[in-house]
Amino acid sequence: IAGITQAPTSQILAAGRRMTLRCTQDMRHNAMYWYRQDLGLGLRLIHYSNTAGTTGKGEVPDGYSVSRANTDDFPLTLASAVPSQTSVYFCASSDSNTDEQFFGPGTRLTVL
Amino acid sequence: GQNIDQPTEMTATEGAIVQINCTYQTSGFNGLFWYQQHAGEAPTFLSYNVLDGLEEKGRFSSFLSRSKGYSYLLLKELQMKDSASYLCAVRDGDYKLSFGAGTTVTVRA
Repeated sequence: IAGITQAPTSQILAAGRRMTLRCTQDMRHNAMYWYRQDLGLGLRLIHYSNTAGTTGKGEVPDGYSVSRANTDDFPLTLASAVPSQTSVYFCASSDSNTDEQFFGPGTRLTVL
Repeated sequence: GQNIDQPTEMTATEGAIVQINCTYQTSGFNGLFWYQQHAGEAPTFLSYNVLDGLEEKGRFSSFLSRSKGYSYLLLKELQMKDSASYLCAVRDGDYKLSFGAGTTVTVRA
């Protein structure tokens, strides 16, 4: 089934630990995005990639890094997790940065 | 930063009509999107406006006025399954999406 997958579905993490959230899409979309969603704040863009090999910073990039080695995968890494990074993380993709975005099912991350 | 405002909550009766307003102030404008998000699920695309006017898609319609920085989503013939959060999102001059906090619509029998 075509779409976007994210792993893990949920995770509880100790503060200071390193964590990578995985995102894979099989729609051959060029652009991919990472958002976090917090109650009352809506979705906020963390990092994005308009095409394989390029990445850019969004609204809230601090504490996060991404890579885009190929078209399908766009992992998000928290180098040293902090409690304020507790959130629901959504990965999204679009054919280009002018098209509608399709969202993955999300990863619920809790940092203690 | 971007500023996108929409009401926090709305309640309506099954079969009725509800209008969700969205006002925005952004750095540049390249289109406005509406997404639906059921609790615990991912947002799904509903509509897109880039020119002024009304776009109709079945029971859902979306309106845009660029000069007023204003949009609305109209949900007609409400059904229980329409209970969800509705997200207004604006694509700015750099083609990045900024989202409002969302409007939770509750449909009552």
